[in-house]
Amino acid sequence: AAGVIQSPRHLIKEKRETATLKCYPIPRHDTVYWYQQGPGQDPQFLISFYEKMQSDKGSIPDRFSAQQFSDYHSELNMSSLELGDSALYFCASSFRQGQGYGYTFGSGTRLTVV
Amino acid sequence: AQTVTQSQPEMSVQEAETVTLSCTYDTSESDYYLFWYKQPPSRQMILVIRQEAYKQQNATENRFSVNFQKAAKSFSLKISDSQLGDAAMYFCAYRSAGTNAGKSTFGDGTTLTVKP
Repeated sequence: AAGVIQSPRHLIKEKRETATLKCYPIPRHDTVYWYQQGPGQDPQFLISFYEKMQSDKGSIPDRFSAQQFSDYHSELNMSSLELGDSALYFCASSFRQGQGYGYTFGSGTRLTVV
Repeated sequence: AQTVTQSQPEMSVQEAETVTLSCTYDTSESDYYLFWYKQPPSRQMILVIRQEAYKQQNATENRFSVNFQKAAKSFSLKISDSQLGDAAMYFCAYRSAGTNAGKSTFGDGTTLTVKP
């Protein structure tokens, strides 16, 4: 079965650079979530999209932006990168109307800012 | 805002034995969902089991079962016949059931070690 696809798997950037993370949800899933997980920490919610509209916003820095496209894939854009942005970034997808079902997570993008 | 608390940062269990991971949460909502996710060293997040708050019956998935105590706001995970592959970080998560809901709130996680 198709899973949530995230690219790239690993990314190394320098401070003040820009990074773009991509997420391709499971077909027919209409909701995408972005989470940031620092080393040894729990996932922190960043932002979510339902039917291409932002549905919720968490602790996402102003330097970050995201959107969901017509094919339901989503991109997280991160500018003016800081060392503290180094983390594992997860994308997850689900049915909005099937809230009782857990997320399906992608494998994550490990971002290292040097 | 909802909070999820996992009071056991680390747990260990002997292979083939049973272990229980605890989770408590705080909410004023009456309808919600609870989940346990597993994160092995590969860092992939995997859904283990889910529970609807309106169901009194505890969810079971093979060797994994929960003890859901709604009044006490407790949601523990029991792993029976533990296997080496169960070694992972386990996260408890809460999700509202409202129409505008969607995001999940995660606990801090419990690292489970399985000893051969």
